[in-house]
Parts: sequence; structure tokens; C-alpha cells
Amino acid sequence: QLQLLESGPGLVKPSETLSLTCAVSGDSINNYYWSWVRQPPGKGLEWVGYIYHNGTTKYSPSLKSRVTISVDTSKSQFSLRLTSVTSADTAMYFCARTVMHRNYYYFYMDVWGRGTTVTVSS
Amino acid sequence: QSVLTQPPSASGTPGQRVTISCSGGGSNIGSKTINWYQQLPGTAPKLLIYSNDLRPSGVPDRFSGSKSGTSASLAISGLQSEDEADYYCATWDDSLNGPVFGGGTKLTVL
Repeated sequence: QLQLLESGPGLVKPSETLSLTCAVSGDSINNYYWSWVRQPPGKGLEWVGYIYHNGTTKYSPSLKSRVTISVDTSKSQFSLRLTSVTSADTAMYFCARTVMHRNYYYFYMDVWGRGTTVTVSS
Repeated sequence: QSVLTQPPSASGTPGQRVTISCSGGGSNIGSKTINWYQQLPGTAPKLLIYSNDLRPSGVPDRFSGSKSGTSASLAISGLQSEDEADYYCATWDDSLNGPVFGGGTKLTVL
């Protein structure tokens, strides 16, 4: 049974870089896409970006200049880096397995991690 | 302001049937399939409906989805107290070049 586990610092200072890792277990990281989704306190869901096991990425246009997602297939994990953070980046961050058609006719996240809370504060 | 519009709240009594709507446009719902996620309080979202009307294994058939044009609906029949949660519709948007979520609907079981 596929399980995803997010990890990383719960507190990041403004202007610094947020770094999170998602460990994949119970199934191969290959042949799937993997997304990061975040949720500010009391608000809705926002997609951050995805990565394929071969390193192909796509990012949210609103975050593209600050986001990098990478994958380490040998460790069965993928990571998120978000630079120059502000209080607006305070959120619960989820990683999720993503199923999609090459033309995005269908695009959904079928397995989610529990999430990890990141607070941006000095 | 979300690209996909959902009512902020919905309610029903146990056993009742409730529907949650999701309205979009031609660049999203009108040309892509729609998904629904359930988020119980304090937990991660869970895929409830994918590709308009398909249920992942383990999702009760009390939950059903439909799509028509640029709108979609989630129906919950035989409402139960454990259905109290936030529900989000989501799909890909060609104009924004990324997936978009509705603002979410908080379902209360009275």
C-alpha cells in the first residue's frame, strides 16, 4: 500500500528557503507523477507543482520563479524548495501521487501524505 | 477568488440527499474531466470522485459525480454524520496552465 510522508522544518524565517521532502514507500516512485499541494490556515487548496520520475517538472505559474521540485529515485523521495518565503507561504504542505493524461484531459491526485505544517516567521 | 465556483456551505439531515455544485468555464470544466476531494477536519484531502463520475476503490456508492457543459455536481445520498467535511472540486485549466481547485464547500450534517 502506497504511503507518502512529508518532512522538513516547521519554522522558516522570512526571506529564507523552505525545503521539504516526501518519502514514498509501498510502491515504486517510477512511472508516476508526484505533486506538492499547499493549504494556508483556514483556506483552500493550491497546487504548487509536479515532477515525473525522470525529472520532468511543471510549476504553478504564480510560484514558478521561486519553486524547484527534484526527485531522487534511489531514495524513493522527491523534494520541494521554495525560496524567498513570506508569511503568505505559511501553510500545510501535502505531497501526493498524481495521475494525468499527457494533454491534461484528466489530472488528479489519488494518494496523499498527511501533510506537514510550515510557518514563516522571524 | 477561485476559478471554480462552489457554494461555501451546504447542509442536510441524516439520510437526506445533498448536492454540491461546481461552476467553471470552457478552459477547465468545459474541456477537462472533473474531480472531487473530501477533506475531513484536520486530515489530508482524499480523492472521492475522478474523471467526472468514477469512484476510487473503497468510496461508497452513496457518492456520485456528474458533469454537464461547464458545470459539475457532487451528490451524496443517505447522508451520514461522518460525511461532515470540506469538499473541493478540481480540474486542469488550460488558460492558467495548471490544475485549479474550487474554493471548497463545508458540508454540515444537522
